[in-house]
Amino acid sequence: DSGVTQTPKHLITATGQRVTLRCSPRSGDLSVYWYQQSLDQGLQFLIQYYNGEERAKGNILERFSAQQFPDLHSELNLSSLELGDSALYFCASSEWDYSRETQYFGPGTRLLVL
Amino acid sequence: GQQLNQSPQSMFIQEGEDVSMNCTSSSIFNTWLWYKQDPGEGPVLLIALYKAGELTSNGRLTAQFGITRKDSFLNISASIPSDVGIYFCAGRGETSGSRLTFGEGTQLTVNP
Repeated sequence: DSGVTQTPKHLITATGQRVTLRCSPRSGDLSVYWYQQSLDQGLQFLIQYYNGEERAKGNILERFSAQQFPDLHSELNLSSLELGDSALYFCASSEWDYSRETQYFGPGTRLLVL
Repeated sequence: GQQLNQSPQSMFIQEGEDVSMNCTSSSIFNTWLWYKQDPGEGPVLLIALYKAGELTSNGRLTAQFGITRKDSFLNISASIPSDVGIYFCAGRGETSGSRLTFGEGTQLTVNP
């Protein structure tokens, strides 16, 4: 158990809908990272938050947004969902925002868009 | 952007055999990490490498940070059935901050 929790574990929704994925980092970790894992793209970095502020952006679509709250949990919002958004979404956390840090991954949310 | 090529894509071995997989990068990395992912789970960190030439072991696993800083390998000795899973390399470049770039993964199957 990495100490990173994600809810829900599974999510099934329809195209055009909006969903929110939630992540609680390990106790004491200030950085939260979101990754998308799909069959054809592998694990792709989406976005990072550090202590409530956006720190880095990767290949995140404009339909997707995230935020980190004062209690350090983070939410990833996916809107106008398309079939291609079906994937595993992972959250990871680390203590600081330091290039040598280890990231610990949560169990993921499996999103299926029908 | 940064790209990682991981090989092989898949391996089918007998229990007790040794395994080797590697990753190469199109640019210099300052951190290499190796993760294992079981079905339906998140990646779990196996080994972290921070210095060119560094060789680090974790039980039956050994990984090295290549001298050129553009490659890394992972060896598993005396494989056992619970080694089955997908192994990912991940790295950080000099300008990528703390974000990770992942390889495509190596699917390992161990036959008892």
